[in-house]
Amino acid sequence: EADIYQTPRYLVIGTGKKITLECSQTMGHDKMYWYQQDPGMELHLIHYSYGVNSTEKGDLSSESTVSRIRTEHFPLTLESARPSHTSQYLCASSESGTGDNEQFFGPGTRLTVL
Amino acid sequence: GENVEQHPSTLSVQEGDSAVIKCTYSDSASNYFPWYKQELGKGPQLIIDIRSNVGEKKDQRIAVTLNKTAKHFSLHITETQPEDSAVYFCAAFSGGFKTIFGAGTRLFVKA
Repeated sequence: EADIYQTPRYLVIGTGKKITLECSQTMGHDKMYWYQQDPGMELHLIHYSYGVNSTEKGDLSSESTVSRIRTEHFPLTLESARPSHTSQYLCASSESGTGDNEQFFGPGTRLTVL
Repeated sequence: GENVEQHPSTLSVQEGDSAVIKCTYSDSASNYFPWYKQELGKGPQLIIDIRSNVGEKKDQRIAVTLNKTAKHFSLHITETQPEDSAVYFCAAFSGGFKTIFGAGTRLFVKA
């Protein structure tokens, strides 16, 4: 079992609210990622980080923001939630300096915005 | 840009039969090809991987083959069981940070 945690697991919230999805890993991995997974299964990279104080946007444009103040923590924030943000959000991490990029995924947060 | 195509999107097999999922990648620099299994309510988990200097790898009922010339790689599951029912993702990695995932295959194993 991978040591990567996401909270909350489920969140139902009204339009306009600010939310933060938490992600923590205890493996000391430098790289961390946020994916948005639509009902059609596909994984869309929305943010990634190489390490502390490093954050970059992914392929899919997202109104969310991320921060990386500590190696183990990579929270995602939505300043004003909208129904279009309803989705499954997956956090992952991987080790730097290896020839591969095995990613360890958290269990996900299912977000519903009413 | 780089992409990974995965087929089929849905696969239904009878218990005990084999299942094959195929992927094609575009970036010739790709050198690591993992396969992930995602069960309901969970995040994807690595089940097997293969590196570009190997043509085939097997782990019990699961095997992966790689054809670098054709840029194809495939997942083979033999003697399928109901607990193999899940979504499977292939992926390709060529260095840096970015792993390119296929769109996923939903496998149903009928008892």
